[in-house]
Amino acid sequence: DSGVTQTPKHLITATGQRVTLRCSPRSGDLSVYWYQQSLDQGLQFLIQYYNGEERAKGNILERFSAQQFPDLHSELNLSSLELGDSALYFCASSVDGDPYNEQFFGPGTRLTVL
Amino acid sequence: TQLLEQSPQFLSIQEGENLTVYCNSSSVFSSLQWYRQEPGEGPVLLVTVVTGGEVKKLKRLTFQFGDARKDSSLHITAAQPGDTGLYLCAGGEGTYKYIFGTGTRLKVLA
Repeated sequence: DSGVTQTPKHLITATGQRVTLRCSPRSGDLSVYWYQQSLDQGLQFLIQYYNGEERAKGNILERFSAQQFPDLHSELNLSSLELGDSALYFCASSVDGDPYNEQFFGPGTRLTVL
Repeated sequence: TQLLEQSPQFLSIQEGENLTVYCNSSSVFSSLQWYRQEPGEGPVLLVTVVTGGEVKKLKRLTFQFGDARKDSSLHITAAQPGDTGLYLCAGGEGTYKYIFGTGTRLKVLA
C-alpha cells in the first residue's frame, strides 16, 4: 500500500460524457502527478501540481483538466470522452516538486469508454 | 520531446536464469529511475541513478547509468517468479517532467 488513494477503481461510461477521477496523496506529500497508461502508449505523464499550483504539463489533451485543492487532494476531469480515452489513469504523489524524489503511485482508475 | 526505448519488449525466462533489460535514448537525461509494476497495481520505484557511469545494486538487481547519461540497463541475476512484472525506466526531462519508457514485460517461469 503506497498510501495514495484513487477513486473510483473502475469507471464505465459512454462517448461524449464527462467524468472526474479523484486522488488523495500520501500524508505530507505536496505534489501530485497524473499519468495515463494504455496498452499502445505506455505510461504518459499528463500534469503535475505542487501545493495547489500547476507545476508541469505533459501530453494532456485540452478536453482534460485537473486541479489540486487546499487539502491537497486532486481531481482529473475528462470531458467529451472518446473511445481512445479508455485507459488506466494513475495518480502519484511525492514529498515536494523535485522529480528526483520518489513518486508513490496509487492503484489507478480503469476507465472504459463505450 | 525526449523518448526512451526499452528492449526487449517481452521476455519469458526460466527461474534461475539471468537477464538484462535496456533503456535507451538519443538525448541526455538528468536522472533516470527504474520502476516495477505488477498487474492491477501502480509502478513502484526500484532505484534512481543520477551520475553518469553510476552502478547501484538492490539484492539480485544491478542498475547502471551510461557514462553519457543517455542509456541505462537493469540486470537480474538468478531470476525468480516474484520478479515477474512490467519494468519501466523513466528519465528526468528538464526540471519537473519525467518521461517513461515503453516498458519490458518480464515473465519468470517456475
